[in-house]
Formats: sequence, structure tokens, C-alpha cells
Amino acid sequence: DADVTQTPRNRITKTGKRIMLECSQTKGHDRMYWYRQDPGLGLRLIYYSFDVKDINKGEISDGYSVSRQAQAKFSLSLESAIPNQTALYFCATSDNRLTTDTQYFGPGTRLTVL
Amino acid sequence: DQQVKQNSPSLSVQEGRISILNCDYTNSMFDYFLWYKKYPAEGPTFLISISSIKDKNEDGRFTVFLNKSAKHLSLHIVPSQPGDSAVYFCAASHPNTGNQFYFGTGTSLTVIP
Repeated sequence: DADVTQTPRNRITKTGKRIMLECSQTKGHDRMYWYRQDPGLGLRLIYYSFDVKDINKGEISDGYSVSRQAQAKFSLSLESAIPNQTALYFCATSDNRLTTDTQYFGPGTRLTVL
Repeated sequence: DQQVKQNSPSLSVQEGRISILNCDYTNSMFDYFLWYKKYPAEGPTFLISISSIKDKNEDGRFTVFLNKSAKHLSLHIVPSQPGDSAVYFCAASHPNTGNQFYFGTGTSLTVIP
């Protein structure tokens, strides 16, 4: 079984709809992240959480919100989706007990906003 | 503003030859660098890393070189294999940003059999 899972894997929605992307991990890591990937722009950090009570904005948090329901779960919400939020979204985790902070990524969610 | 740049969107190499992927960064505070590999329909997977206290790190066929004065790192794959065909991202972080990672735009490597 995959260590980092994302649901759904694909989603098509309309402008103005509220969307939630979910991420679960079985690695026991404290840190979780949400990124989006756009062609020509690489991966950009949306939000990150170092533990259940700690939420931080990343590079491009506008239009997004997150919820860390438990150590293993980190959800990303688009309150009112717009077409330029069409992208590939990745969740990642890392273990802050390590001196090197390698991140482990989920398989991604492809979101299309019409 | 893109702090980590990969100026070559794509690279093609013959099987058995060396692949060299390049990455430049602008923030002199970055002290930790990684390379990730991504296959289609999968998330990126960690490949190799290097701390700023080193200038070279090697793991099997993969070697990363860091030139701090030039703010440049490179990934060498020797010998290249068809299974190495993927998109490669470099990433950088520094402790002042809570170890946020800044990713490059990726280089798509094709190894031709």
C-alpha cells in the first residue's frame, strides 16, 4: 500500500464550486505539505503543517485553505474554485526528526476547473 | 520570482552515455539541495541530496555537484539507462524559511536505447 495517498486522483469541477482534496499518510511523519504543479512553473508550496496545531502559508496560499484533522490527514480546500486553479496538486510528508528533510510525495490529484 | 531555475526543459541522451542536468539558484541562504525524479502519473520521488558543506555527493550512478560561488548544482547520471527517462526537479531550502522547499521547473530526460 502507498505511504501517501491522495483522493480524488482526478476531479473536474465548475467555477465557484467548493472543492476538497484529501491526503492521508501512514509514514508517521509530523510534517505535511500541499504543492501545485503547473507547466513551466515547477512545484509551488501552498500550505504546510509541522504538526496538528501548526499551519503555515506557503508561496501561493491565496484562494486555498487547509485543515490538519490528525497527524495522518491534511486536507486542501478551494473555497470557490476558479479556472486558474486548474493544476496538478501534490501532498507530501517529511519527518522532522531527521537532520535531512526529504519529502515523500503522494501520486497527485489532477484538478480541472471549467 | 523563481529562486531555483532549470533552464533546460528537456534533454536527450544515448543509453550508456552521461546525462548532465543543471540547476541554478539565486538565494545564497539556501543550504540544502535535493534532486527528485518524477514519472508520469506518479508523485516525485527523492533521488539524491547535498548539503552546502559539501561540493559532491555520490550514490551509485548518480552524483550531485554543488558550486556555491556560482550558485549552481548539477546531477550526473552515468551510465544513463532507459529507465532513467523521467522529469527531474531540483529543490533547495534554508532553515530561515522553516525548511520550505523551492523547486525548479523540471528537466525532462529521455534516454534513447
